[in-house]
Formats: sequence, C-alpha cells, structure tokens
Amino acid sequence: QQQVRQSPQSLTVWEGETAILNCSYEDSTFDYFPWYHQFPGESPALLIAIRPVSNKKEDGRFTIFFNKREKKFSLHIADSQPGDSATYFCAASASNYQLIWGSGTKLIIKP
Amino acid sequence: AQTIHQWPVAEIKAVGSPLSLGCTIKGKSSPNLYWYWQATGGTLQQLFYSITVGQVESVVQLNLSASRPKDDQFILSTEKLLLSHSGFYLCAWSLDWGGNTGQLYFGEGSKLTVL
Repeated sequence: QQQVRQSPQSLTVWEGETAILNCSYEDSTFDYFPWYHQFPGESPALLIAIRPVSNKKEDGRFTIFFNKREKKFSLHIADSQPGDSATYFCAASASNYQLIWGSGTKLIIKP
Repeated sequence: AQTIHQWPVAEIKAVGSPLSLGCTIKGKSSPNLYWYWQATGGTLQQLFYSITVGQVESVVQLNLSASRPKDDQFILSTEKLLLSHSGFYLCAWSLDWGGNTGQLYFGEGSKLTVL
C-alpha cells in the first residue's frame, strides 16, 4: 500500500531535549526516505534523507534511524532549539518520481 | 544560482471558472518538474511530474491538467474550478530522483481560494 503514516500529529518539547518524530510504511519497494521541514508561510525544504542501505544517517543535530525489518523510520532532533519549531514531513518513494508524504508533525520547542 | 518562480501569488476564483497557474525555473537545464497541492496545515499531495518538455505524467485525478510547453516552464490548469481545488499549489524541481540528487526545491507557492 502506498501510504506513509506519521506520528505524533503535534509534539511539544523543552529547549535542549531530544524531539522524536516517527513514520512507518508498508510498501517494500520504497527505497528513499526524506524528511522535509516547513516553517509557517514558507515552502517545504529538505532536512535530511536516507536510503535503506543504511540504518542511520546523521547531519549535525538531526539523525534518521531506519528499521527496514519493521518498516519504520524516525527523526531525532537533539538539543532542540526554538528555531526548530516547524512542521516536519516524512516521505517515501520508489524510483518512479513520486513521493508519498506523511501527514506532518507540528513541532513546538519551548524555551 | 537556480531560481524558481510561481505566479500568481494568490487567486480568488468562482466555482466553475477556469484557472491557470504557472512556474518558471531559471538557471537549470532540463530539470524534473512537479506540481503539488497542500491543504491549509495539511500534507502534500503530488499532482503531476514531468521529466522532459512536452511530457507530463498525472499522479492523481483531481480535474486538473498540466503542461510543459518549454524546458523551464510548467503550467497547471483547469477549465472548471471546484470548491475542493482551494489550497496551496507548489511547483518544485529536482536534478534527478532519489539518492543525493533527488532533493525537491519548492517555489513560493500559489494560494487558491475558490468561492
């Protein structure tokens, strides 16, 4: 099934904590898993992405953990900052120029 | 540097009226082009993609059509708007697909309100 499930719908964490956003999928042909963030009034922008050859991808404070067996992947934002407050979308794709997007997580970082 | 420009920024249209939204990409030859729709505060739904001039693939049927008349231009249109067409329309481009070059670069978007 071409669907990506994302949770939670909204998440509030304190500054300095680690925010964890979760996604799951069912289609085994998916082979590219990006995370985009979208600030209010702006367009989405790529944050970080992973392919199933790896189970972890790091970029500064942002880390994707990927579990191929359970068909789950998550975004961990370490040392959360108020500037990280945004809506985060996970997505998945097979090699066919189509991205299937999750429903989004609205992340609020409290100072 | 590559730039992507969408027009118009916003439109208020009546149900049943026609619509045309446009997107131009400068500074990149033969990009892959995409149209997305986003409900207010909602997820993104891919509508169309185009790999080359003159060829457009539909992803979902929403009584919309798309065309790529030039390498750097992508047009979204319909002859008859529905209330459900309201939302935010985003044009995007990518160099390739997946991997390190499949990153989507979005335009500023066009906000459509159908009354």
